[in-house]
This record gives sequence, structure tokens and C-alpha cells, in this order.
Amino acid sequence: EEQLVESGGGLIQPGGSLRLSCAASGFSVSNNYMTWVRQAPGKGLEWVSVIYSGGHTYYADSVKGRFTISRDNSKNTLYLQMNSLTVEDTAVYYCTRESASGIQSYGMDVWGHGTTVTVSS
Amino acid sequence: EIVMAQSPGTLSVSPGERATLSCRASQTVSNKLAWYQQKPGQAPRLLIYGASTRATGVPARFSGSGSGTEFTLTINSLQSEDFAVYYCQQYNDWPPKYTFGQGTKLEIK
Repeated sequence: EEQLVESGGGLIQPGGSLRLSCAASGFSVSNNYMTWVRQAPGKGLEWVSVIYSGGHTYYADSVKGRFTISRDNSKNTLYLQMNSLTVEDTAVYYCTRESASGIQSYGMDVWGHGTTVTVSS
Repeated sequence: EIVMAQSPGTLSVSPGERATLSCRASQTVSNKLAWYQQKPGQAPRLLIYGASTRATGVPARFSGSGSGTEFTLTINSLQSEDFAVYYCQQYNDWPPKYTFGQGTKLEIK
């Protein structure tokens, strides 16, 4: 079964840092496009970042320069390093697999259960 | 940035009826449009990609249509498990900024 399990969320003060992890099973993170999507309390979905199978990374403007997406192929795990956190970063963070073949995307077909990040003093 | 606008914000429909949800892009996204379903306390679930292709395991009562800037998700013969929030998402932008619509809440009438 293809599965994603996030961890690393918690309560953090403004200005602090946190690293989220997302362990994959049933498929390889290195061979797929992997993304982070977040959802603020009571709000809609916001795309955060993607890392392509070739290693290129892209970010939403709201997190560029503060967040870094990466992966450890040996651990089959995706990460999101979050620095300079603000209250606006409070959300449930989901990691997802974007199924794709070359430039053809087939949508985010595997989602984790999410991990909650609360930024508050 | 491509802005996605969904309408209506809330849709009240009776079980067994048809629901029609709309999504509009601020500029063309070709057919690079996906639909997701989210139930309370759960992660979203992919329903449709490529504007009209059902994802694996999605019932045939769900159908997507449209291209360019106007898209529709139609759910026929609504079942109790279909009442949820639905999001559209474009993935045409380059560099990638996969923007979502604000969601349509489908509730029981």
C-alpha cells in the first residue's frame, strides 16, 4: 500500500524553526514529484512547495526564502525545514505525491494525514 | 499568479439530486486542472485530473469538464458520503505555483 506519514509538527514561538518529516512507503520519493500543502484552521488549501524527481525545487511566494524542501532517498523521506515562522504559518501540513510522467501530471494522488504546526507566543 | 475562483461558496442539494460546482481561472490553465474532495478531519482526496479524467477508484457519478478558464465538477445521484468540501487546483503555471480555489461546501438540503 502506498502511504505517507508526516511528523514533526508542534507548538513553536514566532521566529522559531521546525522541521517536518514525511515517511513514504510503497513507492520511492526519489522517483516522484513530492509536494507540501498546508491548510490554516478553518481555511482552504495552500500549495507550499514541490521537489521534482530531478531535484529541482519550487516554493510559494509566501514561504520562499524561509522554507526548504528536501528528501533523503536512503530513508525514503521528504522534509520541510521551516525557519522564521510567523503566526500566518499556523496550519495542518500535508505531504503529497504528485503522480506524473515527464511533464504530464496526474494530480496529487497520495496524501498523508497531516501534521499540525501552531505558531504562537 | 493564477487565481482560482470557485462558485458557489456553499451548495445545498438533496440526496439523489445532481450537484454542479464551478471553477474559474484568472488565465488559461489549458486542461491542467484537478478536483479534490475533503471531508472533516480528513486529508483531501484526488477526484479528477486533466480536467476530466477520474482518478483511480472514483465512482462514475463524478465527472469533470471544461478547459481554458472555465471548469465544472458534476456529481450525479448524490450519495450521503458525497457531502464535503470540494477544491479545484491548477497545475499549469510555470514556475510551478499550484494554486487552489477557495472551495465549495456541498451540504445536504
